[in-house]
Amino acid sequence: DIQMTQSPSSLSASVGDRVTITCRASQSIGTYLNWYQHKPGKAPRLLIYAASHLQSGVPSWFSGSGSDTDFTLTIGSLQPEDFATYYCQQTYSPSLTFGGGTSVEVK
Amino acid sequence: QLQLQESGPGVVQPSQTLSLICSVSGGSLNRGGFYWSWIRQQPTKGLEWIGNIYDTGSTYYNPSLQSRVAMSVDMSKNQLSLKLIAVTAADTAVYYCARASYYYDRNVIQKYWYFDLWGSGTLITVSS
Repeated sequence: DIQMTQSPSSLSASVGDRVTITCRASQSIGTYLNWYQHKPGKAPRLLIYAASHLQSGVPSWFSGSGSDTDFTLTIGSLQPEDFATYYCQQTYSPSLTFGGGTSVEVK
Repeated sequence: QLQLQESGPGVVQPSQTLSLICSVSGGSLNRGGFYWSWIRQQPTKGLEWIGNIYDTGSTYYNPSLQSRVAMSVDMSKNQLSLKLIAVTAADTAVYYCARASYYYDRNVIQKYWYFDLWGSGTLITVSS
């Protein structure tokens, strides 16, 4: 299996902060990388697909970058509704794997 | 608009079989160009992919669960199902069904799959 390692596992931030979350794959996955936002009791929400493509309806302050083994999700200016857990996911291998998650908490 | 809704027994006894249904409304499960998946989140843990079922009816499962899991589709009822045998406390989780769609990049002639639609999840507790 391809292992996906996210860092940090949690962070504290304030509204308006720029937040960066990284995801590292255990082998090269090209740009077969997605990002999801997950809030308690809700369905996960797709934010970014193919490493850098913003899903329709997702605010433009979210962005993704990277390729091969190193990827980044950036929240350009953190909004109150953005406090959540974020997961990366690789789809390079048919055996899909998610990162361990990054919890974005109120500072 | 297409919606997914999981349903299940809530509580399952250890060593028994967990059976879950994902009901699809607002559209047909039979429409091509997608595949369907089950994903779970154990307490205090991250998301774990369980398996996929394709429009051909073929399946692909997480190797760690492969010996215990089976997925199927009932087109007449517009439902997906998941069966997990010989459950233990470690199978306690919120279970989600999801639809996978793809982005086709003509420049590299590749499909990039992603889960764009999820159910709200159903909590399954394994306990006697």
